[in-house]
Amino acid sequence: EVQLVESGGGLVQPGGSLRLSCSASGFTFSSFAMHWVRQAPGMGLEYLSSVNNNGRSQYYADSVKGRFTISRDNSKNTLYLELSSLRGDDTAVYFCAKEIGPTHVGFGHWGQGTLVTVSS
Amino acid sequence: QSALTQPRSVSGSPGQSVTISCTGSISDVGGYNYVSWYQQHPGKAPKLIIYDVSRRPSGVPDRFSGSKSGNTASLTISGLQAEDEADYYCCSYAGGNILRVFGGGTTVTVL
Repeated sequence: EVQLVESGGGLVQPGGSLRLSCSASGFTFSSFAMHWVRQAPGMGLEYLSSVNNNGRSQYYADSVKGRFTISRDNSKNTLYLELSSLRGDDTAVYFCAKEIGPTHVGFGHWGQGTLVTVSS
Repeated sequence: QSALTQPRSVSGSPGQSVTISCTGSISDVGGYNYVSWYQQHPGKAPKLIIYDVSRRPSGVPDRFSGSKSGNTASLTISGLQAEDEADYYCCSYAGGNILRVFGGGTTVTVL
């Protein structure tokens, strides 16, 4: 069974930094692209970032480019998202998601999310 | 990258069909056959219900179907059931360095 478990969320001051982790199990982690998506309170889903299966290619939404960094450690089956220069509008639940397959496009499995609150 | 456009809400009675539209551009919906749809119940993580425009993951009822015409994709829920009441989001591959873009979401209400 595919499992994705996010951690690392919490309360952080504006301008601060945080590192989110997503621990994966139940599939061959190194074979799949992985993604981060967030959802602000009461709002819709927002795509943030993707990394390919070997970690060599990263992609970002304009809203987080230059502030967030995605990475992965295939030896630890873990996906990361480094958040920096945080602002109030970064307050959201952050989800990690697994690509459905190498030749198909869709977020096939999701974690339960981790809440990041940016406030002084 | 602009978000895809979805209606804020749609509603239907049990047993009826409802269709949710998702309008983008040639840069996303119209340019690729990579539209996906997600169902999200309150307080829960989203769930993939359609990928690659019209494919259903294992375990998703065939009441859910997807299609695309030009720059607009659609999700149809046939035989509406109470448990279908949820928020639905479309998402498209957008190429380049952006990769994906979501719609604003549609709330489906079962009357």
